[in-house]
Amino acid sequence: KAGVTQTPRYLIKTRGQQVTLSCSPISGHRSVSWYQQTPGQGLQFLFEYFSETQRNKGNFPGRFSGRQFSNSRSEMNVSTLELGDSALYLCASSLEAIRVNTEAFFGQGTRLTVV
Amino acid sequence: AQTVTQSQPEMSVQEAETVTLSCTYDTSESDYYLFWYKQPPSRQMILVIRQEAYKQQNATENRFSVNFQKAAKSFSLKISDSQLGDAAMYFCAYRTPDTGANSKLTFGKGITLSVRP
Repeated sequence: KAGVTQTPRYLIKTRGQQVTLSCSPISGHRSVSWYQQTPGQGLQFLFEYFSETQRNKGNFPGRFSGRQFSNSRSEMNVSTLELGDSALYLCASSLEAIRVNTEAFFGQGTRLTVV
Repeated sequence: AQTVTQSQPEMSVQEAETVTLSCTYDTSESDYYLFWYKQPPSRQMILVIRQEAYKQQNATENRFSVNFQKAAKSFSLKISDSQLGDAAMYFCAYRTPDTGANSKLTFGKGITLSVRP
């Protein structure tokens, strides 16, 4: 069974540009969550999608957005990139979030560097 | 809001020895889940162990076990017979069983564990 796949693995962008990251969850998983990991702030929750609907959102500016498609694949977009957006972006998928006793499976992340 | 605190940024253990990683959390909920995740240099987060708050029995997974003290809001991870492959960053995380606004993992800052051969 294929795991969570994130593309691309590495990305270098210039300040002011926008970027789109992709996440393909494990087959059958309908919940996809995104996290930002930085040395200073650690792991911070961005948002969660379930059945194409954003169900939960973290405390990030509106420049961070996402969506989920009918096949559960998810994308996140960051517009007007800032140096502080340099981070490892992790995607996690899970079967269902109701009465969670299922684990969140993580991808290997996308390392975004903003120069 | 729930918070998770890992106060030790780094720890080191001799191969084959036992090490305990500490974690405390703050919540007003009575029902929740706690996790320890491992992040090796490959960056992929791997679930090590999970504890349901309503279960009094501490979870164990082979060489990994937890000491869950609900009243003290403490959740430590014990690694027995440490192996070189255990070297990684370890994150303690909290989650409620709800959907919607609470359907997220809250992580601690993590602890870097090194294993000395």
